Amino acid sequence: RKEVEQDPGPFNVPEGATVAFNCTYSNSASQSFFWYRQDCRKEPKLLMSVYSSGNEDGRFTAQLNRASQYISLLIRDSKLSDSATYLCVALGFQKLVFGTGTRLLVSP
Amino acid sequence: DADVTQTPRNRITKTGKRIMLECSQTKGHDRMYWYRQDPGLGLQLIYYSFDVKDINKGEISDGYSVSRQAQAKFSLSLESAIPNQTALYFCATSDSGQGMHEQFFGPGTRLTVL
Repeated sequence: RKEVEQDPGPFNVPEGATVAFNCTYSNSASQSFFWYRQDCRKEPKLLMSVYSSGNEDGRFTAQLNRASQYISLLIRDSKLSDSATYLCVALGFQKLVFGTGTRLLVSP
Repeated sequence: DADVTQTPRNRITKTGKRIMLECSQTKGHDRMYWYRQDPGLGLQLIYYSFDVKDINKGEISDGYSVSRQAQAKFSLSLESAIPNQTALYFCATSDSGQGMHEQFFGPGTRLTVL
């Protein structure tokens, strides 16, 4: 079983839609979680951190549910520029553990 | 100018050849990492270094070696390349003072081993 699992998608949504991704993790000792964004053939970049209390940054909201061991990312009012792959990441011992990513395609 | 650079950006080589991928950074970060990315497998950590005198194996270090020549330089070598090392390779850096969750990635090196 992978340590961090994501639905690969793609999620196809129209502009303006709200879309949510979930991610599950298997290591209950993991303390910190993050979402990275990766554009096609480009390098990953940190999108936001995930806190138990939730974290909102503009149109993006991240949530952590420790009891169920899942992390979510909600994107409101989707833009064409949101099209990318979103990587769920857990902080393990001295390293980041990356999920395989969920691909989002936002269409006009 | 990019803060984290990788050379070459693309490389095609043959089985058995020795290959070196280079990474340089101007961010002043002490920590550096090498990952490979394969379709459907996500990013896998090959090696990481927390300072010039520190080298650690990641989850898939077999067939690879690294050298931390200076704080700003971290190179990855494939002593005898094989086709299943065909992948996209990323170098990344982080600042120990900021925590390791925010890693800054280079643009990647696309390596093909024939």
